Amino acid sequence: DVKVTQSSRYLVKRTGEKVFLECVQDMDHENMFWYRQDPGLGLRLIYFSYDVKMKEKGDIPEGYSVSREKKERFSLILESASTNQTSMYLCASRYQGASNQPQHFGDGTRLSIL
Amino acid sequence: AQSVTQPDIHITVSEGASLELRCNYSYGATPYLFWYVQSPGQGLQLLLKYFSGDTLVQGIKGFEAEFKRSQSSFNLRKPSVHWSDAAEYFCAVGSMDSNYQLIWGAGTKLIIKP
Repeated sequence: DVKVTQSSRYLVKRTGEKVFLECVQDMDHENMFWYRQDPGLGLRLIYFSYDVKMKEKGDIPEGYSVSREKKERFSLILESASTNQTSMYLCASRYQGASNQPQHFGDGTRLSIL
Repeated sequence: AQSVTQPDIHITVSEGASLELRCNYSYGATPYLFWYVQSPGQGLQLLLKYFSGDTLVQGIKGFEAEFKRSQSSFNLRKPSVHWSDAAEYFCAVGSMDSNYQLIWGAGTKLIIKP
């Protein structure tokens, strides 16, 4: 089974802090994704990565950056956290070999910015 | 514009009763369709997927879904729900042309009455 591990289940940070959310997958997947999930809005894509050192903006990249230095790890960075970034953050990975492959998700990080 | 609509924000069903969750999509290319389930405080788990072939697909936990191209729908069904099915359900659409990305519905929260 695919295992996608997010480093924290719950995180509380202060406004203006630089925040790092880490995601690791164990299946050698090429593609990785960061979403945020808010009630009534479903999942919104922040950034995704085709492969190591490659990244593309999703629908809501403002205020975020990402890093993919190793294939198994995809980090989401909040450069200067703000209260409107309080949300559930979900990481996913996917095998690129066929375009119909599903995404596999971690358990999420619930981030609160005070 | 490409979109996925889950018309019901909440659905309440008695334990043992049948269930149908609706999903309609608007998509220019041949779609790949997914249903995911999210238990409270957890990530998303793949229930089933449709790519081609038989339009009735079977998934895990006793769920099935039927792809109806003429109605642009991919409704999820279960003949008899259990209390453990209480969760949020998400429909998602992708395609060969979607650059690995999925378009997500806003989700339907399933409540089970004892």
